[in-house]
Amino acid sequence: SQQGEEDPQALSIQEGENATMNCSYKTSINNLQWYRQNSGRGLVHLILIRSNEREKHSGRLRVTLDTSKKSSSLLITASRAADTASYFCATDPNTGNQFYFGTGTSLTVIP
Amino acid sequence: SAVISQKPSRDICQRGTSLTIQCQVDSQVTMMFWYRQQPGQSLTLIATANQGSEATYESGFVIDKFPISRPNLTFSTLTVSNMSPEDSSIYLCSAVGSYEQYFGPGTRLTVT
Repeated sequence: SQQGEEDPQALSIQEGENATMNCSYKTSINNLQWYRQNSGRGLVHLILIRSNEREKHSGRLRVTLDTSKKSSSLLITASRAADTASYFCATDPNTGNQFYFGTGTSLTVIP
Repeated sequence: SAVISQKPSRDICQRGTSLTIQCQVDSQVTMMFWYRQQPGQSLTLIATANQGSEATYESGFVIDKFPISRPNLTFSTLTVSNMSPEDSSIYLCSAVGSYEQYFGPGTRLTVT
Protein backbone atom coordinates (compact mmCIF):
# COMPACT_ATOMS: atom_id res chain seq x y z
CA SER A 1 0.00 0.00 0.00
CA GLN A 2 1.13 3.58 -0.54
CA GLN A 3 2.56 5.34 2.45
CA GLY A 4 2.28 8.91 1.28
CA GLU A 5 0.24 11.43 -0.56
CA GLU A 6 1.57 14.31 -2.56
CA ASP A 7 0.15 17.69 -3.10
CA PRO A 8 -0.59 19.13 -5.56
CA GLN A 9 -1.34 16.31 -7.98
CA ALA A 10 -0.42 18.59 -10.86
CA LEU A 11 1.47 21.87 -11.04
CA SER A 12 2.08 24.15 -14.00
CA ILE A 13 4.51 27.06 -13.79
CA GLN A 14 6.50 29.39 -16.03
CA GLU A 15 10.17 28.82 -16.60
CA GLY A 16 12.22 30.65 -13.98
CA GLU A 17 9.60 30.33 -11.26
CA ASN A 18 9.98 28.15 -8.19
CA ALA A 19 8.02 24.92 -7.79
CA THR A 20 7.04 23.49 -4.42
CA MET A 21 5.50 20.09 -3.89
CA ASN A 22 4.55 18.47 -0.64
CA CYS A 23 4.51 14.93 0.64
CA SER A 24 2.62 13.69 3.67
CA TYR A 25 3.04 10.22 5.10
CA LYS A 26 1.33 8.11 7.70
CA THR A 27 3.82 6.39 9.99
CA SER A 28 7.22 7.09 11.54
CA ILE A 29 10.06 6.76 9.08
CA ASN A 30 13.81 6.21 8.89
CA ASN A 31 14.41 8.06 5.64
CA LEU A 32 12.55 9.92 2.93
CA GLN A 33 13.63 10.08 -0.68
CA TRP A 34 12.54 12.16 -3.64
CA TYR A 35 12.59 10.87 -7.20
CA ARG A 36 11.96 12.31 -10.63
CA GLN A 37 10.44 10.39 -13.51
CA ASN A 38 10.30 11.82 -16.98
CA SER A 39 7.44 10.63 -19.13
CA GLY A 40 8.02 7.03 -20.13
CA ARG A 41 11.44 6.94 -18.52
CA GLY A 42 13.02 5.44 -15.43
CA LEU A 43 13.25 6.85 -11.95
CA VAL A 44 16.04 9.23 -11.07
CA HIS A 45 17.04 9.52 -7.44
CA LEU A 46 17.16 13.17 -6.39
CA ILE A 47 17.82 13.36 -2.70
CA LEU A 48 17.59 11.38 0.53
CA ILE A 49 16.85 13.02 3.86
CA ARG A 50 17.14 11.11 7.11
CA SER A 51 14.60 11.36 9.90
CA ASN A 52 17.04 13.33 12.08
CA GLU A 53 17.62 15.94 9.37
CA ARG A 54 15.41 18.95 8.79
CA GLU A 55 16.70 20.36 5.53
CA LYS A 56 18.91 19.33 2.67
CA HIS A 57 20.12 21.04 -0.48
CA SER A 58 21.35 19.73 -3.79
CA GLY A 59 21.88 22.26 -6.54
CA ARG A 60 18.51 23.88 -7.26
CA LEU A 61 16.72 21.42 -4.98
CA ARG A 62 15.80 22.04 -1.39
CA VAL A 63 14.10 19.39 0.70
CA THR A 64 12.64 19.89 4.14
CA LEU A 65 11.37 17.29 6.55
CA ASP A 66 9.05 17.84 9.51
CA THR A 67 8.67 14.55 11.34
CA SER A 68 6.23 16.02 13.85
CA LYS A 69 3.83 16.78 10.99
CA LYS A 70 4.87 13.72 8.98
CA SER A 71 5.50 15.85 5.95
CA SER A 72 8.21 16.86 3.52
CA SER A 73 8.51 19.43 0.80
CA LEU A 74 10.59 19.63 -2.36
CA LEU A 75 11.44 23.06 -3.71
CA ILE A 76 12.87 23.46 -7.17
CA THR A 77 14.23 26.96 -7.71
CA ALA A 78 14.58 28.76 -11.03
CA SER A 79 12.73 26.01 -12.85
CA ARG A 80 13.61 24.95 -16.39
CA ALA A 81 11.59 23.27 -19.09
CA ALA A 82 13.74 20.18 -18.53
CA ASP A 83 12.33 19.93 -14.99
CA THR A 84 8.98 18.86 -16.49
CA ALA A 85 8.40 15.42 -14.98
CA SER A 86 6.57 13.54 -12.26
CA TYR A 87 8.04 13.79 -8.78
CA PHE A 88 7.57 11.14 -6.13
CA CYS A 89 8.42 10.90 -2.48
CA ALA A 90 9.22 7.52 -0.97
CA THR A 91 9.45 6.61 2.69
CA ASP A 92 10.73 3.62 4.62
CA PRO A 93 8.68 3.05 7.76
CA ASN A 94 10.46 2.04 10.93
CA THR A 95 9.14 -1.48 10.40
CA GLY A 96 11.63 -2.33 7.68
CA ASN A 97 13.76 -1.25 4.75
CA GLN A 98 11.00 -1.23 2.19
CA PHE A 99 10.25 2.10 0.52
CA TYR A 100 6.67 3.09 -0.20
CA PHE A 101 5.86 5.69 -2.80
CA GLY A 102 3.54 8.65 -2.67
CA THR A 103 0.98 9.41 -5.31
CA GLY A 104 3.25 11.82 -7.18
CA THR A 105 3.12 15.39 -8.46
CA SER A 106 3.12 16.08 -12.18
CA LEU A 107 5.12 19.24 -12.85
CA THR A 108 4.95 21.13 -16.13
CA VAL A 109 7.37 23.99 -16.72
CA ILE A 110 6.28 26.22 -19.58
CA PRO A 111 9.12 27.75 -21.57
CA SER B 1 25.70 3.79 -6.38
CA ALA B 2 24.35 0.62 -7.96
CA VAL B 3 23.57 0.09 -11.62
CA ILE B 4 20.61 -2.17 -12.24
CA SER B 5 19.71 -3.85 -15.50
CA GLN B 6 16.51 -5.67 -16.38
CA LYS B 7 15.58 -8.10 -19.11
CA PRO B 8 13.46 -7.95 -21.13
CA SER B 9 12.91 -4.20 -21.49
CA ARG B 10 9.46 -4.82 -22.92
CA ASP B 11 7.25 -7.66 -24.01
CA ILE B 12 3.81 -8.33 -25.40
CA CYS B 13 2.29 -11.51 -24.04
CA GLN B 14 -0.89 -13.44 -24.50
CA ARG B 15 -3.44 -13.89 -21.79
CA GLY B 16 -2.83 -17.01 -19.68
CA THR B 17 0.90 -17.18 -20.26
CA SER B 18 3.75 -16.35 -17.88
CA LEU B 19 6.73 -14.04 -18.17
CA THR B 20 9.92 -14.05 -16.13
CA ILE B 21 11.76 -10.77 -15.66
CA GLN B 22 15.40 -10.78 -14.70
CA CYS B 23 17.17 -8.17 -12.61
CA GLN B 24 20.94 -7.87 -12.29
CA VAL B 25 22.75 -5.47 -9.98
CA ASP B 26 26.39 -4.58 -10.62
CA SER B 27 27.34 -4.78 -6.93
CA GLN B 28 26.28 -6.68 -3.85
CA VAL B 29 23.28 -5.09 -2.20
CA THR B 30 21.47 -5.79 0.99
CA MET B 31 17.90 -5.49 -0.20
CA MET B 32 16.13 -6.03 -3.50
CA PHE B 33 12.52 -5.21 -4.26
CA TRP B 34 10.00 -5.49 -7.06
CA TYR B 35 7.53 -2.74 -7.87
CA ARG B 36 4.70 -2.31 -10.33
CA GLN B 37 3.76 0.95 -11.97
CA GLN B 38 0.47 0.96 -13.82
CA PRO B 39 -0.09 3.59 -16.51
CA GLY B 40 -0.25 7.08 -15.07
CA GLN B 41 0.12 5.80 -11.53
CA SER B 42 2.72 5.77 -8.80
CA LEU B 43 4.82 2.77 -7.85
CA THR B 44 3.36 -0.04 -5.79
CA LEU B 45 5.62 -2.39 -3.89
CA ILE B 46 4.99 -6.03 -4.81
CA ALA B 47 7.51 -7.79 -2.60
CA THR B 48 10.93 -7.88 -0.99
CA ALA B 49 13.19 -10.42 -2.64
CA ASN B 50 15.03 -12.27 0.12
CA GLN B 51 18.25 -14.05 -0.68
CA GLY B 52 17.94 -17.79 -0.29
CA SER B 53 14.42 -17.72 1.13
CA GLU B 54 10.86 -16.96 0.15
CA ALA B 55 10.02 -13.40 -0.79
CA THR B 56 7.98 -11.18 1.51
CA TYR B 57 4.82 -10.04 -0.25
CA GLU B 58 2.82 -6.89 0.30
CA SER B 59 -0.88 -6.95 0.85
CA GLY B 60 -2.70 -7.79 -2.35
CA PHE B 61 0.17 -9.74 -3.91
CA VAL B 62 0.65 -13.51 -3.63
CA ILE B 63 3.42 -15.94 -4.43
CA ASP B 64 1.33 -18.02 -6.83
CA LYS B 65 0.80 -14.99 -9.05
CA PHE B 66 4.21 -13.34 -8.64
CA PRO B 67 6.84 -15.96 -7.75
CA ILE B 68 10.19 -14.35 -6.98
CA SER B 69 13.65 -15.80 -6.71
CA ARG B 70 16.87 -14.33 -5.39
CA PRO B 71 19.62 -16.92 -5.56
CA ASN B 72 22.43 -14.49 -4.66
CA LEU B 73 23.11 -10.89 -3.63
CA THR B 74 23.09 -9.45 -7.14
CA PHE B 75 20.34 -11.27 -9.06
CA SER B 76 16.59 -11.69 -8.80
CA THR B 77 13.70 -12.77 -10.99
CA LEU B 78 10.01 -11.94 -10.94
CA THR B 79 7.52 -14.11 -12.77
CA VAL B 80 4.11 -12.79 -13.70
CA SER B 81 1.96 -15.91 -13.93
CA ASN B 82 -1.26 -16.66 -15.77
CA MET B 83 -1.34 -13.15 -17.11
CA SER B 84 -4.44 -11.10 -17.79
CA PRO B 85 -4.75 -7.64 -19.38
CA GLU B 86 -4.89 -6.16 -15.86
CA ASP B 87 -1.25 -7.18 -15.45
CA SER B 88 -0.22 -4.77 -18.18
CA SER B 89 2.19 -2.49 -16.38
CA ILE B 90 5.80 -1.51 -15.91
CA TYR B 91 7.65 -3.80 -13.52
CA LEU B 92 10.67 -2.32 -11.79
CA CYS B 93 13.45 -3.94 -9.89
CA SER B 94 15.05 -1.96 -7.08
CA ALA B 95 18.05 -2.34 -4.82
CA VAL B 96 19.15 -0.67 -1.63
CA GLY B 97 22.83 -0.22 -0.87
CA SER B 98 23.65 1.75 2.24
CA TYR B 99 20.61 4.02 2.32
CA GLU B 100 19.65 5.12 -1.14
CA GLN B 101 17.34 3.08 -3.29
CA TYR B 102 18.13 2.59 -6.97
CA PHE B 103 15.88 1.40 -9.75
CA GLY B 104 16.28 -0.52 -12.92
CA PRO B 105 14.90 0.85 -16.19
CA GLY B 106 11.77 -1.25 -15.91
CA THR B 107 10.08 -3.90 -18.01
CA ARG B 108 7.05 -2.71 -19.93
CA LEU B 109 4.57 -5.57 -20.13
CA THR B 110 1.50 -5.58 -22.34
CA VAL B 111 -0.94 -8.46 -22.06
CA THR B 112 -3.35 -9.00 -24.94
